[in-house]
Formats: sequence, C-alpha cells, structure tokens
Amino acid sequence: GAVVSQHPSWVICKSGTSVKIECRSLDFQATTMFWYRQFPKQSLMLMATSNEGSKATYEQGVEKDKFLINHASLTLSTLTVTSAHPEDSSFYICSAEKGLNEQFFGPGTRLTVL
Amino acid sequence: SQQGEEDPQALSIQEGENATMNCSYKTSINNLQWYRQNSGRGLVHLILIRSNEREKHSGRLRVTLDTSKKSSSLLITASRAADTASYFCATDASGAQKLVFGQGTRLTINP
Repeated sequence: GAVVSQHPSWVICKSGTSVKIECRSLDFQATTMFWYRQFPKQSLMLMATSNEGSKATYEQGVEKDKFLINHASLTLSTLTVTSAHPEDSSFYICSAEKGLNEQFFGPGTRLTVL
Repeated sequence: SQQGEEDPQALSIQEGENATMNCSYKTSINNLQWYRQNSGRGLVHLILIRSNEREKHSGRLRVTLDTSKKSSSLLITASRAADTASYFCATDASGAQKLVFGQGTRLTINP
C-alpha cells in the first residue's frame, strides 16, 4: 500500500500564532513530498516541493519565510504557517512521491485562522 | 501555475446517466491523472494514463488522451449518487517532478 497521513486534520488558531502541520508516509519512504493549498471551490495550488535533507523549493509567489517546510526524515515533512492571518485559512494537502512520479495524497488539514 | 483547464466547471445529471468531463493542458506531458475529491476531503486517485496511451478503462471509468490536442476526457458510465464529487485532472509535465492540477469539475448526481 501507499498511505499518507496528515496531522492535525483540522486546526483553529488565533491570528499571529504559528501552526505546524505534519505529513507522514506510513508504509513507504518518500524522498520528495509536496505541499498544496486549496481554497474553497478551487483547485489545488502547489506551494512547494519538499526534499529530504535539503531545502524546499517554493513556487512563485509563496513566501518561504511564512511557510516553513522541514523534511527531516524519509517519512515526515512538516509545514509551519508562521504568524498566521485569516487569509491563510485554507485546506492544506500534502502528497508523498513513491517511485517515479507517483504521488499519494494525504487527507488534508483544514486551517482556520480567527 | 495551473495549466489544466477543465470543462464543464459544474455538471449535474440524473443517476444512471453517463458523465463526461474534459481536461486541456498546455505543455508536453509524461502522463495525465484523474482524481476525485469529496467535499472537504483529500484526493482519491482514479486513473493514470501515459502519454503513449490513448484510452484506458477502470471499472465504470473510461479515460481518453489526445496528445495532439493536449486534451483528455473522463467518462463515468451508469453514474451513482456516490459519484457526486469534484474531479480533477493533473498533468505530470515532461522533465518536471510536480503535478499541475486543472480547475476541476463539480459533478452532482441527482437520485
């Protein structure tokens, strides 16, 4: 199998606080993981590519200092939304790459910033 | 950036009818994938079609790929209420590691 989990599944936080979201590949190792953001009734937008042991590659327009990505092991990548604001409220989805260009997606994390 | 465009954006049909969704893309691809997403949930992988394939079937799903037109279609036959979801195509561009998603089609199956 190829199962990817995310934690938490939903989080509510106050404006100005930081929130960490975890993405884990449960039964395989993933050198590469991806972080997406999805606003209501919209498609997934790739935020960054997370590579184990090296710096993440961010898509144009995504602030690397605001969305901190750490991929410290072959089964875990974390996304930290720093100093979150209401406009950061969104559905965050990760995926983990298994094999050649085959991605498996996590169930998503709903972030609500008050 | 999103290179995929899907049409229609929304589709509402009666249970038992067939549903067809289309996806267009702009660059050369290695493969094209279709995903389903129920409201507020993660993505479920439906089917992958490689650039050298023209048609693929999986149960009630039929996917076609026309690389000359840079387009793909997803056909769901004998639709069921449980098929109600958003459907996205995603392309794996040649030379690129990442997936680029289309805008999606919101499919509603009316009982």
